[in-house]
Amino acid sequence: QKEVEQDPGPLSVPEGAIVSLNCTYSNSAFQYFMWYRQYSRKGPELLMYTYSSGNKEDGRFTAQVDKSSKYISLFIRDSQPSDSATYLCAMSPNHKLIFGTGTLLAVQP
Amino acid sequence: GAVVSQHPSRVICKSGTSVKIECRSLDFQATTMFWYRQFPKKSLMLMATSNEGSKATYEQGVEKDKFLINHASLTLSTLTVTSAHPEDSSFYICSARGERTSGQETQYFGPGTRLLVL
Repeated sequence: QKEVEQDPGPLSVPEGAIVSLNCTYSNSAFQYFMWYRQYSRKGPELLMYTYSSGNKEDGRFTAQVDKSSKYISLFIRDSQPSDSATYLCAMSPNHKLIFGTGTLLAVQP
Repeated sequence: GAVVSQHPSRVICKSGTSVKIECRSLDFQATTMFWYRQFPKKSLMLMATSNEGSKATYEQGVEKDKFLINHASLTLSTLTVTSAHPEDSSFYICSARGERTSGQETQYFGPGTRLLVL
């Protein structure tokens, strides 16, 4: 079993839809949870960073962490074609990040 | 704006040559820098972790003599792919960990370097 599981997609949604991206993990020692967005042929860009269980909101993005279920989510409201990218979840118990495989999202205009 | 830069962004070289990739943190001091490799449609694979002034720690299966890492300062790390071969062709991404906002140390990625070895 991988430490971090993420559905690779692709996920295709119409413009304006609410997008839900998810990761599950097996290591209860993970404390830090991050979501990165990666456009094709570019480096990952940090979107959200959370430390504890609960929700964190930043504009159209909401990150949710449920440590009891070992489940994290990223919600994108009012999705735009410019949101089309690969979204990577990442987590760590200390300083070494463990990445999911990434979910490819396509927002159709 | 970008907080981590990488140079060059793209390089094409002949088999057997060595290639150096630079990674710089632009507006913060990086306590730790990481080097990743990414194959098409795959996630990032950590190659090594380096702290300024000390030897890099390589992940299992990564040849330290093949991928030389030098972390010369708190803002600069270099990866040298020695005697590159076509199987070394990949997308190499560096990352720097440091504190940019008060009380939050996190990891920022460079834009990546695409290496093609002919």
